[in-house]
Amino acid sequence: DTAVSQTPKYLVTQMGNDKSIKCEQNLGHDTMYWYKQDSKKFLKIMFSYNNKELIINETVPNRFSPKSPDKAHLNLHINSLELGDSAVYFCASSQGRRSSYEQYFGPGTRLTVT
Amino acid sequence: RKEVEQDPGPFNVPEGATVAFNCTYSNSASQSFFWYRQDCRKEPKLLMSVYSSGNEDGRFTAQLNRASQYISLLIRDSKLSDSATYLCAVTPFSGGYNKLIFGAGTRLAVHP
Repeated sequence: DTAVSQTPKYLVTQMGNDKSIKCEQNLGHDTMYWYKQDSKKFLKIMFSYNNKELIINETVPNRFSPKSPDKAHLNLHINSLELGDSAVYFCASSQGRRSSYEQYFGPGTRLTVT
Repeated sequence: RKEVEQDPGPFNVPEGATVAFNCTYSNSASQSFFWYRQDCRKEPKLLMSVYSSGNEDGRFTAQLNRASQYISLLIRDSKLSDSATYLCAVTPFSGGYNKLIFGAGTRLAVHP
């Protein structure tokens, strides 16, 4: 009965490869997010979708492309992986796009680029 | 200046102690405020939202000071299980999208 789930949990890959991370939530929320937590533990928003519409797109290299096939799913595809992409990527969801709505996080995907 | 700043700690306290964390934010138009708890190698988990009038949940009390632009978290009667990193998060836009800006976190270590 996991609320926000991500796959895979761990991802080790080489520079230059393309990889995808998947996220699903069963909370009935309509807004989903991708965050990146780097080696210094700093957690920063990357993207947000509301009902499949992209509403937040931070300054992220265009090698990162999010896709939301429906409001319960949000995927992140990364092209041409670089060493600096190594981080933990968290998916989150909230009921609504307003600032007062609480966000719930998935368990994270630990990406290591070698 | 970072948008959200926290003392990184660590705060090392004995069981039963009271400990307080502060978090300052730079955008005076910030609308919503939260405290999250993150255990090692785990996801952030919502601890509590912070309301203008202050709010309490058991041993945890959160306060908001808009004039000085800071939020605080007070933990009373600390337990070993409170050991974690505490992240404050702020939504910088009034009525805008739910874009959480996180502080770097404050580490708390509670010892016997």
